[in-house]
Amino acid sequence: DAGVTQSPTHLIKTRGQQVTLRCSPKSGHDTVSWYQQALGQGPQFIFQYYEEEERQRGNFPDRFSGHQFPNYSSELNVNALLLGDSALYLCASSTGQGAYEQYFGPGTRLTVT
Amino acid sequence: RKEVEQDPGPFNVPEGATVAFNCTYSNSASQSFFWYRQDCRKEPKLLMSVYSSGNEDGRFTAQLNRASQYISLLIRDSKLSDSATYLCVVTLMKTSYDKVIFGPGTSLSVIP
Repeated sequence: DAGVTQSPTHLIKTRGQQVTLRCSPKSGHDTVSWYQQALGQGPQFIFQYYEEEERQRGNFPDRFSGHQFPNYSSELNVNALLLGDSALYLCASSTGQGAYEQYFGPGTRLTVT
Repeated sequence: RKEVEQDPGPFNVPEGATVAFNCTYSNSASQSFFWYRQDCRKEPKLLMSVYSSGNEDGRFTAQLNRASQYISLLIRDSKLSDSATYLCVVTLMKTSYDKVIFGPGTSLSVIP
């Protein structure tokens, strides 16, 4: 039973560029949440997708957008990258609209130079 | 005031010691509480849920005090492998979904 997978594992981009991160949820899970974790901080909630719709969103600008596909996998897109976007991006999957037990993927480490 | 706050740490304790972490939350309507563990440069993993009556899992004990709006995690007989960052997580029930809030984490180093 595959857990949550994310790709790529590491990414280096330049300021102003755009990036797409991908996530496949754990088998049987239909809800995907994305988090940004800066060094030394706890994960900050970006948004959550359920039934291919964004169900809730944290305090992140519109440069952060996402998508969920019919197979429940998800993408996170960030436009016009800033140096401050450098962080570990975590995807977590769960079932239904609750988030009682979230399973995290290994994350994508994004460095913006 | 931040929604979820934790002991700033880091905690450096010898093997075999007992260590306790505290976490406070600001919204009295918070419904569910968890402790996650995150190893260095790894993803967070669920350590345990926290129930109103308190719960224990081996060397780990979690307590919830709704009146004072805090939760705690007690680790007895610390092992080197307990070295990690411990994240407090609080959820709020919204109309059709749960809002999940992570604390900043408390770092623990268990020293031989």
